[in-house]
Amino acid sequence: DGGITQSPKYLFRKEGQNVTLSCEQNLNHDAMYWYRQDPGQGLRLIYYSQIVNDFQKGDIAEGYSVSREKKESFPLTVTSAQKNPTAFYLCASRISGTGLWGEQYFGPGTRLTVT
Amino acid sequence: RKEVEQDPGPFNVPEGATVAFNCTYSNSASQSFFWYRQDCRKEPKLLMSVYSSGNEDGRFTAQLNRASQYISLLIRDSKLSDSATYLCVVDSASNDYKLSFGAGTTVTVRA
Repeated sequence: DGGITQSPKYLFRKEGQNVTLSCEQNLNHDAMYWYRQDPGQGLRLIYYSQIVNDFQKGDIAEGYSVSREKKESFPLTVTSAQKNPTAFYLCASRISGTGLWGEQYFGPGTRLTVT
Repeated sequence: RKEVEQDPGPFNVPEGATVAFNCTYSNSASQSFFWYRQDCRKEPKLLMSVYSSGNEDGRFTAQLNRASQYISLLIRDSKLSDSATYLCVVDSASNDYKLSFGAGTTVTVRA
């Protein structure tokens, strides 16, 4: 079955520690995205990548970093510089080409709690 | 002003009822509009795209009003399984296929 996997589902960290969230897709999609969702707010874009070895900052990139060394993988690192890291993190990918570009496929998400 | 605004609800309706809600968007250059569904503590999934002429998918009808910059979703003959949060999603009118998500409208269908 094709899809997007994120691991782990729940993650707990102490303040001051960096943590890396995994995102893998086998849909052969070129574009991948990272969002965070906080209660009562819409999804906010952290970083996105339209092609391997290239990525761009989204609306709230401060305190986060990404890499895109392989088409299938787009890991997100939450650094200690991120002031409010506790959130629900969602990874998504998008079908290539201009048709149906609005359909983003989401992974199941990682709930990060930092104390 | 937020790019996409939605009434958070919740809309509590009995089974079989019709429920409708809107969302407004701020960027008049946006061209593509979508409704996503998100179940509690799950990931969003595309419910339907919204076309200029309006479109229907089974019990779901979406409408677009460009002049007033809002889109609507109507659910007929509500089922218990329709209970979810419905996210209004609009393209950011940039060249990089970014989307702007509303915070969602929660619908609860009761037996």
